[in-house]
Amino acid sequence: AQKITQTQPGMFVQEKEAVTLDCTYDTSDQSYGLFWYKQPSSGEMIFLIYQGSYDEQNATEGRYSLNFQKARKSANLVISASQLGDSAMYFCAMRVTGSQGNLIFGKGTKLSVKP
Amino acid sequence: DAGVIQSPRHEVTEMGQEVTLRCKPISGHNSLFWYRQTMMRGLELLIYFNNNVPIDDSGMPEDRFSAKMPNASFSTLKIQPSEPRDSAVYFCASSDRGLYEQYFGPGTRLTVT
Repeated sequence: AQKITQTQPGMFVQEKEAVTLDCTYDTSDQSYGLFWYKQPSSGEMIFLIYQGSYDEQNATEGRYSLNFQKARKSANLVISASQLGDSAMYFCAMRVTGSQGNLIFGKGTKLSVKP
Repeated sequence: DAGVIQSPRHEVTEMGQEVTLRCKPISGHNSLFWYRQTMMRGLELLIYFNNNVPIDDSGMPEDRFSAKMPNASFSTLKIQPSEPRDSAVYFCASSDRGLYEQYFGPGTRLTVT
């Protein structure tokens, strides 16, 4: 069965420091995609970053990078130079292979950035 | 470009009433997804459409839930009759076949009393 696990219910980080949010996944497929979404208190879901299973380099998008370790089945999100506006829920998700893009989500990690 | 549009943003209704949630996907996107988010269960896929055709509705909780996509620019999720346990935030998302990410609407917060 395909599954996403986020083991950190909550995290604190000091403003301007880097933080890593953990995500592990379980799939027997060779082709899959991994995503991170941000959900601020206002409720919307904001796409942050994508990593394909065949991508050799780790994905980066501005201050976001994805630390992809295929053998360990982990896809951790790294946020550099944290800002107060980064305080939000963060969800890791995996695209189910063979579907038209259906995603399964982890339970999320609540990140709080301290001034 | 407009993002995914959902209406209403908030809905409060009494148990037993019919509820209809609406979604307009991003123009040109051919896949549409309905998700439900609760504290207990997190984000769950209810149903998704590809080219207006339902592909997988295995996440629909029961027969009280139904979804339609009559054309490429509109979809509805209907709950009849509604129950208090249906209270949740319902998200609609769309994606393009050529893209990997799904773009979410702002969600509809449903409260059934």
